[in-house]
Amino acid sequence: NAGVTQTPKFRILKIGQSMTLQCTQDMNHNYMYWYRQDPGMGLKLIYYSVGAGITDKGEVPNGYNVSRSTTEDFPLRLELAAPSQTSVYFCASSGAEETQYFGPGTRLLVL
Amino acid sequence: QKEVEQNSGPLSVPEGAIASLNCTYSDRGSQSFFWYRQYSGKSPELIMSIYSNGDKEDGRFTAQLNKASQYVSLLIRDSQPSDSATYLCAVNMNTGRRALTFGSGTRLQVQP
Repeated sequence: NAGVTQTPKFRILKIGQSMTLQCTQDMNHNYMYWYRQDPGMGLKLIYYSVGAGITDKGEVPNGYNVSRSTTEDFPLRLELAAPSQTSVYFCASSGAEETQYFGPGTRLLVL
Repeated sequence: QKEVEQNSGPLSVPEGAIASLNCTYSDRGSQSFFWYRQYSGKSPELIMSIYSNGDKEDGRFTAQLNKASQYVSLLIRDSQPSDSATYLCAVNMNTGRRALTFGSGTRLQVQP
């Protein structure tokens, strides 16, 4: 039981490039979330999903897109990367309880 | 805007002492409250959840909730150097979505 896994662990992007951050959970959780964490700050919700095929915006969705075709996977797409998207990205999932379980994170640097 | 506030610290306590971490929240209708611990460069991990007014104890950790005053606290007894980390308070606010609002965290340093 791996929990929540994320790839890649670290990535450097040039301004204007695009990429997809992968997130997979094996706990059969319906709820999945994407957060970003800037240095010294808390987590800000980007997007979330309540089940396959259902997604919704969080606090800071601009510049990002998501899809949820399966229960297990919740990829986050960055289009036209900007320096302001330099951050650490965490994926999380939760089941019937509200407790969220986090992946190890992806560190993204946009230059 | 619905917010969760924490003192950023660092809060420095000697080994063996009690560390007290506090959190206030703006939405009086909030029902679920969580404390996460985050080591530097790592992901948050759950320490405690609390849903009712009063105290909830788990080992060396005690969460305290006062909904009337809109604050939640975490006490760490017999603090150890391994407790040195950032502690994030998270609240499920009445935002219409099943998601947590996080505070910016309090950095705790336990001095040997």
